[in-house]
Amino acid sequence: DSGVTQTPKHLITATGQRVTLRCSPRSGDLSVYWYQQSLDQGLQFLIHYYNGEERAKGNILERFSAQQFPDLHSELNLSSLELGDSALYFCASSPRLAGGLETQYFGPGTRLLVL
Amino acid sequence: QKEVEQDPGPLSVPEGAIVSLNCTYSNSAFQYFMWYRQYSRKGPELLMYTYSSGNKEDGRFTAQVDKSSKYISLFIRDSQPSDSATYLCAIQGGSEKLVFGKGTKLTVNP
Repeated sequence: DSGVTQTPKHLITATGQRVTLRCSPRSGDLSVYWYQQSLDQGLQFLIHYYNGEERAKGNILERFSAQQFPDLHSELNLSSLELGDSALYFCASSPRLAGGLETQYFGPGTRLLVL
Repeated sequence: QKEVEQDPGPLSVPEGAIVSLNCTYSNSAFQYFMWYRQYSRKGPELLMYTYSSGNKEDGRFTAQVDKSSKYISLFIRDSQPSDSATYLCAIQGGSEKLVFGKGTKLTVNP
């Protein structure tokens, strides 16, 4: 168990809908990362938050947004869902910001299926 | 050209075999080279990391980096069925961003 929790574990929804994925980082970790994993694209970095502030953006669509709250948990919002958004969404946390090895601890993921 | 390339396999070997997993990368600025292991229906977990070129050994696992050819490898000796998983290489540059390979699915048959 990495100490990172994600809810829900599974989510089934329809195209055009909006969903929110939740992540609680390990105790004491200030950094939260979101990734999307699909069979054809592999693990794709979406966005990074550090202590409530956005630090870096990756391949995140404009329909997607995220935030990190004062208690350090994070939410990833996916809107106007398309079939191609079906994937595993992982959250990872890290104690560091930068300047060295960035060991990221991954949660168990949320499996999203868009029908 | 993708930043990190990894053969997705799948790779199937008998128990006890030596396994070699490889990745190539394009950006010479990368400094940290990691291998993550991902069991089915689980999140990736850090297995090993190396900084710059050279080898690092941890039990049955050896990570190798050749910066001159931009090539990283993970060797598993005396492979066990419990090693069956997807192995992802990951590379970190000057920022905190990790770039992952697509992963190689390994099955070790008893």
